[in-house]
Amino acid sequence: AQSVTQPDIHITVSEGASLELRCNYSYGATPYLFWYVQSPGQGLQLLLKYFSGDTLVQGIKGFEAEFKRSQSSFNLRKPSVHWSDAAEYFCAVGLSNSGYALNFGKGTSLLVTP
Amino acid sequence: DTEVTQTPKHLVMGMTNKKSLKCEQHMGHRAMYWYKQKAKKPPELMFVYSYEKLSINESVPSRFSPECPNSSLLNLHLHALQPEDSALYLCASSQEDRAREPQHFGDGTRLSIL
Repeated sequence: AQSVTQPDIHITVSEGASLELRCNYSYGATPYLFWYVQSPGQGLQLLLKYFSGDTLVQGIKGFEAEFKRSQSSFNLRKPSVHWSDAAEYFCAVGLSNSGYALNFGKGTSLLVTP
Repeated sequence: DTEVTQTPKHLVMGMTNKKSLKCEQHMGHRAMYWYKQKAKKPPELMFVYSYEKLSINESVPSRFSPECPNSSLLNLHLHALQPEDSALYLCASSQEDRAREPQHFGDGTRLSIL
C-alpha cells in the first residue's frame, strides 16, 4: 500500500541554522509529492511539489526539496531558519492514475529557538 | 491570505443543533474537498466533489451532509453531532480531481461540540 513516513515527530533548531525534514514514501511508480506547512490555527499552505524532471525543487519561503528515487525520499531543506518557520510540516503523496487522494504523513513539528 | 475562504472561523454548538460550514473559492477550480483534522494529526479526507458531483465519501457518518450548490461553493451541514466530532474542518480545492493537482486549503472552521 502507498504510504508516507515522516520519521521525526519533533525537531528543534536554532534560528539561523539549517533545516532538513525527512519524508519517505512507499510507492511502486513515481509519485506526486508535496510539502505543506501549517501554522497554529491556520490551514495548510503548499510549500512545493514534485511531479517529474529536476530532482531539486524550489518552493516558497526559501524552502527546497530533493527527490531521491533510490532512497524513496523527498526531504525538505532550508539553509537558514527564521523564527516564523516554527510550524507543523506535512509531507504528502498524490497517487498517480488515481483521483482525489492526498496521503499525508503524520507531520513534523518544528520548534525554532533563539 | 488564502484563496479558499471558510466561514465561520469558530463554531460552538450543542449536540441537538443544526449548523452549516461554508467554503468558497474563486480560482475556477472544479474539485473541492472537506477534511477533518484533530489536534496534532494530519487532515483526514471526508468528501470530494468533482464538477459539482459527489465523487468520494470516506464512510463519513450521516450526521455530516455535504452540498455543492455551484462550482465555487461547498457546504457541510451538521446535525446531531457528537463530542468526538470536535475538530478543525478544512476545505480545499484543486484545478481538477487528479492526484497531480495541488490542493489549496482554507484556514478552517474550529468546531466545538458541547
